[in-house]
Amino acid sequence: KAGVTQTPRYLIKTRGQQVTLSCSPISGHRSVSWYQQTPGQGLQFLFEYFSETQRNKGNFPGRFSGRQFSNSRSEMNVSTLELGDSALYLCASSWTINTGELFFGEGSRLTVL
Amino acid sequence: AQTVTQSQPEMSVQEAETVTLSCTYDTSESDYYLFWYKQPPSRQMILVIRQEAYKQQNATENRFSVNFQKAAKSFSLKISDSQLGDAAMYFCAYRSANSGNTPLVFGKGTRLSVIA
Repeated sequence: KAGVTQTPRYLIKTRGQQVTLSCSPISGHRSVSWYQQTPGQGLQFLFEYFSETQRNKGNFPGRFSGRQFSNSRSEMNVSTLELGDSALYLCASSWTINTGELFFGEGSRLTVL
Repeated sequence: AQTVTQSQPEMSVQEAETVTLSCTYDTSESDYYLFWYKQPPSRQMILVIRQEAYKQQNATENRFSVNFQKAAKSFSLKISDSQLGDAAMYFCAYRSANSGNTPLVFGKGTRLSVIA
């Protein structure tokens, strides 16, 4: 059974640009969560989607957005990139919400110059 | 809001020895889940062990066990017979079991080194 797949794995952007990150969950999983991981702040929750609906949103500015498609794949977008957006973005899936047992991808490493 | 605190940024253990990682949490709820996740240097995070708050018995998974003290809001992880492959970041996490769709909340992590 394939795991959670995140693309791209690494990317470099400059300030002011935008970026889209993609996440394909484990087959059969309908919930997708996104986390931002930095050395200083640790793991911070961004969004959680279930059946194409955003069920939870973390305390991030409106520049961070996301969506989920009917096949449960998810994308997140960050517009007007800032240096502080440099981080590892982790996607996790689970078969439903509120289970806590998340299956993580390897992450997308974003560097903003 | 619920918070999770891991007071040990770094720990080290000799191979084959036992180590305990600490975690405390703050919540006003009575029904919740607690987890320990492991993130090896390759970065993919995996679940190590899970504990339901309503269960008094401490969870065990092979060499990994927890000491769950609900009244003290403490949830420590014990790794027995440590192996080189145990070297990783370990994150303690909390999630409410109630409806309301609360997300999984992580502590800042403990970096465990295993010395051969």
